[in-house]
Amino acid sequence: NAGVTQTPKFRILKIGQSMTLQCTQDMNHNYMYWYRQDPGMGLKLIYYSVGAGITDKGEVPNGYNVSRSTTEDFPLRLELAAPSQTSVYFCASSYSGPGQGTNSPLHFGNGTRLTVT
Amino acid sequence: KNEVEQSPQNLTAQEGEFITINCSYSVGISALHWLQQHPGGGIVSLFMLSSGKKKHGRLIATINIQEKHSSLHITASHPRDSAVYICAVPGRSGGGADGLTFGKGTHLIIQP
Repeated sequence: NAGVTQTPKFRILKIGQSMTLQCTQDMNHNYMYWYRQDPGMGLKLIYYSVGAGITDKGEVPNGYNVSRSTTEDFPLRLELAAPSQTSVYFCASSYSGPGQGTNSPLHFGNGTRLTVT
Repeated sequence: KNEVEQSPQNLTAQEGEFITINCSYSVGISALHWLQQHPGGGIVSLFMLSSGKKKHGRLIATINIQEKHSSLHITASHPRDSAVYICAVPGRSGGGADGLTFGKGTHLIIQP
């Protein structure tokens, strides 16, 4: 198993550009998440999905979009990049919801470091 | 929304010392997560627990549901334990599918 694979690892965008962060998992997990991590802050949930075709907003969704056409893939789209979106982005997955029992740990990708200038 | 507080924010200790990291949360939960973020940035899940204690190697996690408090202990600490340790709880009381609320993390440095 490759686990959760995120690409790219690093990216520099100019203000107003768009890009897609790719995330794929090979563990047949239903739940997938996108988080951002800013210095000195806890991870913040951007969007999540509980299965193919189902997505929902998290805590900080503005400026982002997602889709979940397959169980494996959960890309994050940034439209009109802004300096406030400079952050490290993590994709994660789990078999069941994070509060549903104690046998479904989160699996994280290695992160994407994005700079918007 | 659950609030998560971790202490200490930073901890420097000597190799071999017993380490304790604390986590408090505001709303009752069904499970609590401890995560480790390596210096290179990768995040791995250490424990999920809903009661009592779990042990994995030199790491021990405990939780007191009544007091809304959890601790992560490291016995015989080693420089390779240097990392950020993060506590996280479900975003809504009683669990759910909307991800986790994360603490800001405890930055641990173990000196040889």
